[in-house]
Parts: sequence; structure tokens; C-alpha cells
Amino acid sequence: AQTVTQSQPEMSVQEAETVTLSCTYDTSENNYYLFWYKQPPSRQMILVIRQEAYKQQNATENRFSVNFQKAAKSFSLKISDSQLGDTAMYFCAFMKQFYSGTASKLTFGTGTRLQVTL
Amino acid sequence: EAQVTQNPRYLITVTGKKLTVTCSQNMNHEYMSWYRQDPGLGLRQIYYSMNVEVTDKGDVPEGYKVSRKEKRNFPLILESPSPNQTSLYFCASYASSEAFFGQGTRLTVV
Repeated sequence: AQTVTQSQPEMSVQEAETVTLSCTYDTSENNYYLFWYKQPPSRQMILVIRQEAYKQQNATENRFSVNFQKAAKSFSLKISDSQLGDTAMYFCAFMKQFYSGTASKLTFGTGTRLQVTL
Repeated sequence: EAQVTQNPRYLITVTGKKLTVTCSQNMNHEYMSWYRQDPGLGLRQIYYSMNVEVTDKGDVPEGYKVSRKEKRNFPLILESPSPNQTSLYFCASYASSEAFFGQGTRLTVV
């Protein structure tokens, strides 16, 4: 079974600064995806960034980037130039690759609550 | 527009009164699942379905039922809700490399 660990329940960062959220996972799978989801007060689950395990290059999406260390099973999220709108709960998640007729699921960490302050 | 529609958004009910939370997707996905979110626990899978008439238990299935009579719909049924089922619920529909979530249902059982 897969496990995902987020060891920082809460973090705070000042506007315009950079913050890194940590995530480690455990799996015996070779083909999988890793995700960071943002959950603002509206409770909506918003995909921030996705990383395919077979890709060595770290994924980036505008101000969001990841540091994917496959051997260490580490998947941290870096938010640059933090904005007030980044205030949210952030979840790290794992999903093994699946195909038609097979099952998979997203396994989530317990989340990191990020507060961006003025 | 790719969409997962969940209803209702908020629900307050009393112990033992049967309820259904609906979920519908317009992406023709085979795979769908239900999660509950609780503080400090993240999201945990309740049930999943790989296709019409094919469902199976997730990590926390006790007290829940599901059905998949049509590909687009995957309702979550609580036949006798109890206060420990007070939670935030999400329906998800999957492509091969991504999950699409509904808006969430905040359920309170008193």
C-alpha cells in the first residue's frame, strides 16, 4: 500500500517570499503520478501541479515548481513570489498509473495549511 | 466543459434518516470514487467504481453504499447516518493521469 506523509501541518510566509512544502511517499510501484492540490476556503480541490514518475525533469507551473527526488521518494512544492490568494490547505497525493479495467486511487497526505501574510 | 457535479453542497440531517449525495460527470470516465475529508486525516477513499455495475470498497466503507447504474452517475448512499459520518465528501472522476473533483458536500449528522 502507498503512503504519503506531509510533516508540516501549518506554515506561514510573507507576501512575495518563497516557501517550500514537504512531502514524502512510499511505494513499490514504478509507474505513478504525484500531485499537489490546493484547497482554498471554498473547499474546492484545485490541481496545482502534476509530476509523472518516469520524467526526470521537475514540473513547473508559473510560480509553482516541484523538487522530485524519485530515489528518496520526496516531492516538495515550491511557491515563489507568494500571494495572498495562495492561502489555502495544500495536499500532496500519489496515484499509480492505471488503465481501462484496472483500479487505482489517489492517496493523500494529511495536508499543510499555508498562510500568506502581508 | 469537463465537469463533476455533486449535490447538495450542504446537508444537515438527523441520525438514522437515509440520504443520498449525487455525483455526475460528463467526461465518459469509467473510473469514479468517493472520498471523505476529516481534519488531520486528509482525504480517504470510501468506495470506487471501475465501470457500470462494478463497485468495490475503499479504505473506509463502513456505513456507506454506492451504485453505478449509468456511467455518468455514482451516488453515495447513507442508509442510517450517524454523527461520526459528519464530514466533507468529494466525488472524483478519473482520466488515466488526473482526477477531477466535484465541489464537495458538507454533511452534518446530528
